[in-house]
Amino acid sequence: QIHLVQSGAEMKKPGASVKVSCKASGYTFTRNYLHWVRQAPRQGLEWMAIFNPSDGRTNFAPKFQGRLTLTRDTSASTVYMELSDLRSDDTAIYYCARDVERALDHWGQGTLVTVSS
Amino acid sequence: DIPLTQSPSTLSASVGDRVTITCRASHTINRWLAWYQHRPGKAPKLLIYDASSLQSGVPSRFSGSGSGTEFTLTISSLQPDDFGTYYCHQYHSYSYNFGQGTRLEIK
Repeated sequence: QIHLVQSGAEMKKPGASVKVSCKASGYTFTRNYLHWVRQAPRQGLEWMAIFNPSDGRTNFAPKFQGRLTLTRDTSASTVYMELSDLRSDDTAIYYCARDVERALDHWGQGTLVTVSS
Repeated sequence: DIPLTQSPSTLSASVGDRVTITCRASHTINRWLAWYQHRPGKAPKLLIYDASSLQSGVPSRFSGSGSGTEFTLTISSLQPDDFGTYYCHQYHSYSYNFGQGTRLEIK
């Protein structure tokens, strides 16, 4: 069975960085792109980035360019999402999701990131 | 990205009703559109991909249609478990974004 398991909730101060992990299992890690999507309180889904676990290449939504870093540990089938210079409006649930022919067929359980002074 | 506009924003319907949600794209996206259901406290769930293909395991009461700039998601006979927010999602030319969502409430 395919699973994406994310790291636990984080509480950060404004200006800090957060790193969220997404561990894949049940399929060949390098065979599918992974996306990051977030949902702020009372807001809709917001697409953030797509990541190729095979070669580490990334494409970001323009608003996250310069603040978002995606990396991977292929031996652990894990992708890491790091968002820097956090602001209060970065408070959200962050999801990783597997790409199959560009649709997102499996999702992680979500990681709540709270940014507050 | 290519802005997507969903309508209606909220919808209240009864069990057994036929429900239709529309998603309009500002530019043509061919058939590169998916639909997701998002229930509180859960991860989004893929329902339809490539505009009209039913994801494995999704009940056949869900269907999708459309191409170009106008798309619809139809639930043929609404069930109690179908509450939640529905999002369209376009993936044309490796540019991705979601519609603003349609909140579906069961009367």
